[in-house]
Amino acid sequence: AQSVTQLGSHVSVSEGALVLLRCNYSSSVPPYLFWYVQYPNQGLQLLLKYTTGATLVKGINGFEAEFKKSETSFHLTKPSAHMSDAAEYFCAVSDWGTGGGNKLTFGTGTQLKVEL
Amino acid sequence: NAGVTQTPKFQVLKTGQSMTLQCAQDMNHEYMSWYRQDPGMGLRLIHYSVGAGITDQGEVPNGYNVSRSTTEDFPLRLLSAAPSQTSVYFCASRTELGNTIYFGEGSWLTVV
Repeated sequence: AQSVTQLGSHVSVSEGALVLLRCNYSSSVPPYLFWYVQYPNQGLQLLLKYTTGATLVKGINGFEAEFKKSETSFHLTKPSAHMSDAAEYFCAVSDWGTGGGNKLTFGTGTQLKVEL
Repeated sequence: NAGVTQTPKFQVLKTGQSMTLQCAQDMNHEYMSWYRQDPGMGLRLIHYSVGAGITDQGEVPNGYNVSRSTTEDFPLRLLSAAPSQTSVYFCASRTELGNTIYFGEGSWLTVV
């Protein structure tokens, strides 16, 4: 069974400040991990993903995330927030890393607000 | 390259009506799936398919039917719409061995 916990349904930061969105997962198989961003009334856009290899993953728009197996975490960070980063962010874990699974399990989302 | 195409984008239904949400992909992906998104609940898997002629239930399948007669198409049918099915629906696809899932733009459904 898989699950994803996103701590904080709403996060507010000042423009230029560090963005930290937390994601913890549980998985019975080696996970593939994803972060998606969703702007109002739009679809999901992939920010970054971890499959295998380097545990620090860089994505689009200056975001990065680090896979920490010992902490079962995949937190999303950005050094300096921009107004355009205001959106909802979803962490997700898949079970298809072993080739047999089909499930992509999402967290409940974190709404990021960026203030002047 | 169109990717994953969903239609309609917006729909209002009356309780008890039936309708089909269409999903098509032009990437020759084996795996296709339907998710629904509700506030505070993230996305939840409704049904999925690993190839033409093969479908299976996800986390929240009740009230929905699917079929996969071709590799390209994976329609989602609401048999008798209920207000609880008001949601945003996303279709997705990926290759069997792929590690990236591609989402459609979403279909906003309101049942009154």
